[in-house]
Formats: sequence, structure tokens, C-alpha cells
Amino acid sequence: DVQLSESGGGLMQPGESLRLSCAASGFSFSSYAMSWVRQAPGKEMEWLASVSGGGSVTPEADPVKGRLTISRDNARKTLYLQLNDLIVEDTAVYYCARGDNDWYSNMYFVDWGQGTLVTVSS
Amino acid sequence: DIVLTQSAGPLSLSAGDTVSLSCRASRTVGSNWLAWYQHKPGQAPRLLIYNAYRRASGIADKFSGSGSGTDFTLTISGLEPEDSAVYYCQQYSRSPWTFGQGTKVEI
Repeated sequence: DVQLSESGGGLMQPGESLRLSCAASGFSFSSYAMSWVRQAPGKEMEWLASVSGGGSVTPEADPVKGRLTISRDNARKTLYLQLNDLIVEDTAVYYCARGDNDWYSNMYFVDWGQGTLVTVSS
Repeated sequence: DIVLTQSAGPLSLSAGDTVSLSCRASRTVGSNWLAWYQHKPGQAPRLLIYNAYRRASGIADKFSGSGSGTDFTLTISGLEPEDSAVYYCQQYSRSPWTFGQGTKVEI
């Protein structure tokens, strides 16, 4: 079975940096594009960024442009998200999600993790 | 960005009912690249439908998708208590990929 397990969430202060991990199992990790999606309280899901199976990355979504880095370690079967200069509006559940092939264009999400909650508050 | 607007909820329905959930796009979703997800509290979202009408692997045929252009529908027949969830549509025709606000269905 495909499993995606996010970690690294918690209470953060404005201005801090966040690093989330997503451990993958049950599929050939390097053969699939991966994404980060978040959902703030009471708001719709928001796609943040994607990375191809080989490590090519998309431009990030506007709300996190210049602050977010997505990366992956295929040997460790792990996806990462680094988000700098956190603001209160970054408070959300962060999900990692798998695409249906190794490229990140026209991407829907075949499998998702359960998410990790990030709260940004002073 | 393509804005997706879904049916207002919550919808309170009875077991055995059939429900049609709407997803309307602010501009044409090219190639009908639209997906539907089911999301229950505390669980991972689950892909139900992709390419507007193709059922994902393992999804029961009680879930069906239809529509094209700017108007899409997810129909769930023979509702059961376990179908209680929030249902989201997502377009992947034009970046950034965007989601609707979700429709909560209560059985």
C-alpha cells in the first residue's frame, strides 16, 4: 500500500523557518512527481509547489513565492518543504501528495498523506 | 487563476439518496482536466475521479463524474453513512492547480 507520512509541523513563531518531511513507501518514489498542498482553517486547499521524479521543480504558488523550497531525496524516499519567513497566514495543515507520473505538469493527486499541522503564532 | 465554485453545503441527506455536487470554473478547464476528492476529518484526502469522469483505482461505481468546459458534476448514488465527508474538485488544466471550497455531505 502507498503510504505518505508528513512530519515536522508544530507551533512556530513569525519569521522562523519551517522544514517539513514526507516519508514515502509502497511505490517507486523516484518515478513520481510529488507536491505540497496546504489547507488553512476554513479555507480551500492550496497547491504550493511540485517536484518531478528527477528533481525538477515548478515555480511556487504566489503566496509563498520566494519563501518556499521543495526538494526530494530519492534514495531516502523523502520529500521536503522549506518555508522561510513564516507569517500567521501560513497556519495550515500541510499535505504531501503523489502525482500520477514522473512529471509535474497537469497534476492531480493520486495519494495523499494525513497532513501535519503548522501553527504560526507569536 | 482558475476559480472553482462548488455547491453550497452542508447537504443533509438520507441513506439511499443520490446527490449531485456541482463544480463551476471561472474559465474553461482545458481537456476536462478536473478531479474530485473525498476528505474525511483526520484522514488523507482520497482521489475519486480524474479527467472529469475516470474513476480512480478502487473507487466504487456509485461515484461518477461528468461535465466539460466550465461545469462539472460529481454524482454519488446509494448514499451510505460512510460517504459523509467534504468533497473537493480540483483543476489541473492551468497552473496554479486550484481547488474548490468543498461541499460537505452529511448522511
